[in-house]
Amino acid sequence: ETGVTQSPTHLIKTRGQQVTLRCSSQSGHNTVSWYQQALGQGPQFIFQYYREEENGRGNFPPRFSGLQFPNYSSELNVNALELDDSALYLCASSSSTGSNEQFFGPGTRLTVL
Amino acid sequence: AQSVTQPDIHITVSEGASLELRCNYSYGATPYLFWYVQSPGQGLQLLLKYFSGDTLVQGIKGFEAEFKRSQSSFNLRKPSVHWSDAAEYFCAVDPSAGGTSYGKLTFGQGTILTVHP
Repeated sequence: ETGVTQSPTHLIKTRGQQVTLRCSSQSGHNTVSWYQQALGQGPQFIFQYYREEENGRGNFPPRFSGLQFPNYSSELNVNALELDDSALYLCASSSSTGSNEQFFGPGTRLTVL
Repeated sequence: AQSVTQPDIHITVSEGASLELRCNYSYGATPYLFWYVQSPGQGLQLLLKYFSGDTLVQGIKGFEAEFKRSQSSFNLRKPSVHWSDAAEYFCAVDPSAGGTSYGKLTFGQGTILTVHP
């Protein structure tokens, strides 16, 4: 059973660009949540996807968007990058019929210059 | 306002000493409560969780936590710390207690644990 994987590991972009981050959920999990972790902070909930539909959103602007695919993998897209978007982006998968435990991936480190 | 507070940003202990990391939450009802650990360059690993029932919960790696409703606290403890426990620890809550906001966790700021030999 493979765990949650994320790609790429690191990414450097410039202000105004767009970025796509990817997450493969753990086998059997149908729910994916995305979090942003700024340096020295705890993770902040961005949004969650369940069965390919957005299922809740945190306090993030519309330029943060996402997708979930039929195989339950997910993408996080950020448009018009700002310097403050520099952070570790974490993906977590879980099962709606499981133990309420979320399994986190290693994250993608995004640097915006 | 609803929040999760970890009052200690950085704690240093000697190997073999006991450890207690504090977590307080501010929610109307008792949320689901979690402790996660994050090593450098790693994702978050769940140490333990509290949903209901026995207020003392056991987790992995010898950690335990005690839920105290009267103090709105969920402190993490370990009787004897090992050098490999050095990491950052996060307290988190699911405010809906498994309801409509299931899986939408709110995290504290984290506590960095340094272990001296």
